[in-house]
Amino acid sequence: GAVVSQHPSWVICKSGTSVKIECRSLDFQATTMFWYRQFPKQSLMLMATSNEGSKATYEQGVEKDKFLINHASLTLSTLTVTSAHPEDSSFYICSARVAGSGYEQYFGPGTRLTVT
Amino acid sequence: AQSVTQLDSQVPVFEEAPVELRCNYSSSVSVYLFWYVQYPNQGLQLLLKYLSGSTLVKGINGFEAEFNKSQTSFHLRKPSVHISDTAEYFCAVSDGTGGFKTIFGAGTRLFVKA
Repeated sequence: GAVVSQHPSWVICKSGTSVKIECRSLDFQATTMFWYRQFPKQSLMLMATSNEGSKATYEQGVEKDKFLINHASLTLSTLTVTSAHPEDSSFYICSARVAGSGYEQYFGPGTRLTVT
Repeated sequence: AQSVTQLDSQVPVFEEAPVELRCNYSSSVSVYLFWYVQYPNQGLQLLLKYLSGSTLVKGINGFEAEFNKSQTSFHLRKPSVHISDTAEYFCAVSDGTGGFKTIFGAGTRLFVKA
């Protein structure tokens, strides 16, 4: 089956630093990847839609300058949290949509970010 | 705009009992509906999906869901639950736009007791 990986699985960083999270589709090409944020015991909130070779589309209320998304290839999208603050601490999950498949998308295992 | 409402935040149930997790949606166009399961500190796994056709959809692990257009519902059911079904369950909707952008409900925590 289609596998999506995320790296790192967890990261602790100091306030003010930047953190990059990678999302990779391991055995398929993904023209579209989605980035979600999940607070403890809450649902997934869509942050942005990332399309290969073009700018990401951010959801209302998500700061595009703070959450930088790059989708450089058909198998890799990155989310960089810039100048992280404790309130950015969360579980970040990506999903990848199989090129040409319509609805089919697969989720990564998530990255837990803790900002101290 | 799409939205999803999961009516129960927690559902405790005894092992081998039946369970129903409720989900209602709103959308101005045709929808695709999904149920996902999330185990602690893990990503989401697709349980089942409704795209079109038969309104009764069967998924993995013995789960099934019924699409009811008139009631805009997509409730998830299992006739007999196991301890291992304890997890968070998310109902989700997509109208196919925005690259199949998917909106998730708040989630229902199923807790199966021995």
